[in-house]
Amino acid sequence: GAGVSQSPSNKVTEKGKDVELRCDPISGHTALYWYRQRLGQGLEFLIYFQGNSAPDKSGLPSDRFSAERTGESVSTLTIQRTQQEDSAVYLCASRFPPGADYYGYTFGSGTRLTVV
Amino acid sequence: AQSVTQPDIHITVSEGASLELRCNYSYGATPYLFWYVQSPGQGLQLLLKYFSGDTLVQGIKGFEAEFKRSQSSFNLRKPSVHWSDAAEYFCAVISNFGNEKLTFGTGTRLTIIP
Repeated sequence: GAGVSQSPSNKVTEKGKDVELRCDPISGHTALYWYRQRLGQGLEFLIYFQGNSAPDKSGLPSDRFSAERTGESVSTLTIQRTQQEDSAVYLCASRFPPGADYYGYTFGSGTRLTVV
Repeated sequence: AQSVTQPDIHITVSEGASLELRCNYSYGATPYLFWYVQSPGQGLQLLLKYFSGDTLVQGIKGFEAEFKRSQSSFNLRKPSVHWSDAAEYFCAVISNFGNEKLTFGTGTRLTIIP
């Protein structure tokens, strides 16, 4: 597609439930990033994929958070046993491989997650 | 570790007035710096970036930014704001040249009054 697509755009879930957030990157973008944006705060890095491997998971806040990527395509961020502090906008960005093009980050519109 | 500070959480300016949004970075070498804008319900859009060379960079929508190494700053400016410029603005730096992830400031929310 023309841009990075994220779904759902909004998700309300009960505390303790699991959620899956999806990111469809731009075709050909081998690098993919997940960020979290809490209300009134900047973007926090969560995880980086190059292809389907994740060489940098340093931003995942706890073992309740995990992510996977199928080839150089869709990525899913899973949050298990959601807590209220998980409420945030989760943004995905994709780009060509590191070093290829510094203009190339494209961000999706995000998934707004609300844990009640 | 590399970091970015945006000292102003919220700025209000009148339409037609000039604008300057502040950004300070902490990085040992020459940083790669970015300004992004986020409108409500939208993803982040790149306004401009600085890697090297001319320290005054031009971006889209009439924005410019000046890199000042002596002040560790990369402030965003616009000579005359429009109501459509109301948004959240983020300064960012590439903090890892292995994966080239971006480290963001906390953002400045810009409100435009008639």
